[in-house]
Amino acid sequence: KAGVTQTPRYLIKTRGQQVTLSCSPISGHRSVSWYQQTPGQGLQFLFEYFSETQRNKGNFPGRFSGRQFSNSRSEMNVSTLELGDSALYLCASSADTDTQYFGPGTRLTVL
Amino acid sequence: GNSVTQMEGPVTLSEEAFLTINCTYTATGYPSLFWYVQYPGEGLQLLLKATKADDKGSNKGFEATYRKETTSFHLEKGSVQVSDSAVYFCALTGANSKLTFGKGITLSVRP
Repeated sequence: KAGVTQTPRYLIKTRGQQVTLSCSPISGHRSVSWYQQTPGQGLQFLFEYFSETQRNKGNFPGRFSGRQFSNSRSEMNVSTLELGDSALYLCASSADTDTQYFGPGTRLTVL
Repeated sequence: GNSVTQMEGPVTLSEEAFLTINCTYTATGYPSLFWYVQYPGEGLQLLLKATKADDKGSNKGFEATYRKETTSFHLEKGSVQVSDSAVYFCALTGANSKLTFGKGITLSVRP
């Protein structure tokens, strides 16, 4: 089976812009979770989607949003970008509520 | 809430040395425990997992045992290789599917 894929792999944006990141889960997996990784805060949970519904949400401002499509692909959107949003954004998919498999990540740089 | 504490790093070892990376956790109920590894420029790879007390997860020569009495999940390998150089994360999932991670530890193995 193909693994989790994320596009794009790298992004450079300027403050105030918005960005959309995409994630395709492993075939058959219905749960997709998003995490932010930064040197200062480490790995932090953003949200999880299951069958097109947000099931869990982390402690991030409303500028961070996501959605899931009927084919389980997911997107996350960050509006009004800030310098502190520069991070590696990781997507993970799961067939159940337990083991998560991660994609390669999208490296976002905000200038 | 749930939390994971990993030993401070970085760790530098010579090839064929014995490796131990300590991990302790705080959680309600019966979490599942994981070790993930991250190579430079990549996402997280699942290394091993354990879902109940006294379970031993193992993969690629790495082992970790779920110790409920000491709330620990220490990672061990008998003989490390240069190719094991990476960042190692201990993590858990609780009642929901959110992964809670430790801060990670960088392992460098010298030839």
